[in-house]
Amino acid sequence: AQSVAQPEDQVNVAEGNPLTVKCTYSVSGNPYLFWYVQYPNRGLQFLLKYITGDNLVKGSYGFEAEFNKSQTSFHLKKPSALVSDSALYFCAVRDASNYQLIWGAGTKLIIKP
Amino acid sequence: EAQVTQNPRYLITVTGKKLTVTCSQNMNHEYMSWYRQDPGLGLRQIYYSMNVEVTDKGDVPEGYKVSRKEKRNFPLILESPSPNQTSLYFCASSRQAGLNNSPLHFGNGTRLTVT
Repeated sequence: AQSVAQPEDQVNVAEGNPLTVKCTYSVSGNPYLFWYVQYPNRGLQFLLKYITGDNLVKGSYGFEAEFNKSQTSFHLKKPSALVSDSALYFCAVRDASNYQLIWGAGTKLIIKP
Repeated sequence: EAQVTQNPRYLITVTGKKLTVTCSQNMNHEYMSWYRQDPGLGLRQIYYSMNVEVTDKGDVPEGYKVSRKEKRNFPLILESPSPNQTSLYFCASSRQAGLNNSPLHFGNGTRLTVT
């Protein structure tokens, strides 16, 4: 069965420090991977995606994600965290059978000043 | 401004009273979808539509109906709401479905409480 796991419910980082939000996946075939962010009282916003090519994908707001096929991971990263990065982050993988997205449970990122 | 508009933002209702949550997009997107978000469960898909007059069940379709009579609108209908449908609902759209992998655009959500 295809699935996405975000092993951390919450990640706490001091402002200015690097951040990592973890995501692992299980799919049949080639993975199509996505990160979305949800700010309070808002819908989700697309951050970045991996379809093929370079394992390091750059996205919005200075975020990037590293695709690692051997570890089946797609961790979200940012070199220097901002307080405004505090939000809920979702990883998703596309189901190869019906093209729908399978979502992780979300990770709450808290950046402390 | 390109957007997905959901109404209402907040809704409190009683068990069994039919309700409709509207969703409209102004981007001429082919694909639309409804999700519910519950703590610890992430997003679960209710129904989706690949194009006009084409709808399919997602992971949790029980108790919900949808229609796609025109491209821009994708209403979610709860014929007889129950307390377990209390949740935060999101409508989303994208340019195309399938392997196009175009990103989803989300509405701001509808918080539904069924008592």
